[in-house]
Amino acid sequence: AQSVTQPDIHITVSEGASLELRCNYSYGATPYLFWYVQSPGQGLQLLLKYFSGDTLVQGIKGFEAEFKRSQSSFNLRKPSVHWSDAAEYFCAVGGQNQGGKLIFGQGTELSVKP
Amino acid sequence: ETGVTQTPRHLVMGMTNKKSLKCEQHLGHNAMYWYKQSAKKPLELMFVYNFKEQTENNSVPSRFSPECPNSSHLFLHLHTLQPEDSALYLCASSGGSSGKANEQFFGPGTRLTVL
Repeated sequence: AQSVTQPDIHITVSEGASLELRCNYSYGATPYLFWYVQSPGQGLQLLLKYFSGDTLVQGIKGFEAEFKRSQSSFNLRKPSVHWSDAAEYFCAVGGQNQGGKLIFGQGTELSVKP
Repeated sequence: ETGVTQTPRHLVMGMTNKKSLKCEQHLGHNAMYWYKQSAKKPLELMFVYNFKEQTENNSVPSRFSPECPNSSHLFLHLHTLQPEDSALYLCASSGGSSGKANEQFFGPGTRLTVL
């Protein structure tokens, strides 16, 4: 079955520290992978995406993610976290035969302490 | 207006009321989606429309009735809701082919409270 797992429900990091949010997926074909961010009471904003090619993708707000096929992972990273990065982060997977549908993980809530 | 817009942003309704949520996308996309997001639960896909045709109904109760008059507009008609229907309702759209068809753009959501 197709699924996305974000093992960490809640993470707290200090401002200026590095960040890595984990995402593991189960998908039978070549996946299209996405990271979205959601601030409280708002919609989801696309941070970055992977379709093919270079497995290290750059996104907005200084985020990057690396696709590792052997580990079925697409972890999100940022070298130095800012207080404004506090939000909920969602990993999602889609594919060629999904009709545009995405499968979302449960989300990871990020808190940033001064 | 750019992107995906949703109105109203907040809605409070009684269980006997009838109301509608509206979504409009200004991106030229051909697919539109309704999601329900409840506290502490994952996003739930409710409906999918492609080129105005409904292609997915994820076992949604009939008290939720979607309407897609054209590729730019999507409505969710609500009637005789239950308190457990209180949630953030998100609309999204996507377009293109291959990966682009999966790249969904979201509206800000409608926060619905059912009394």
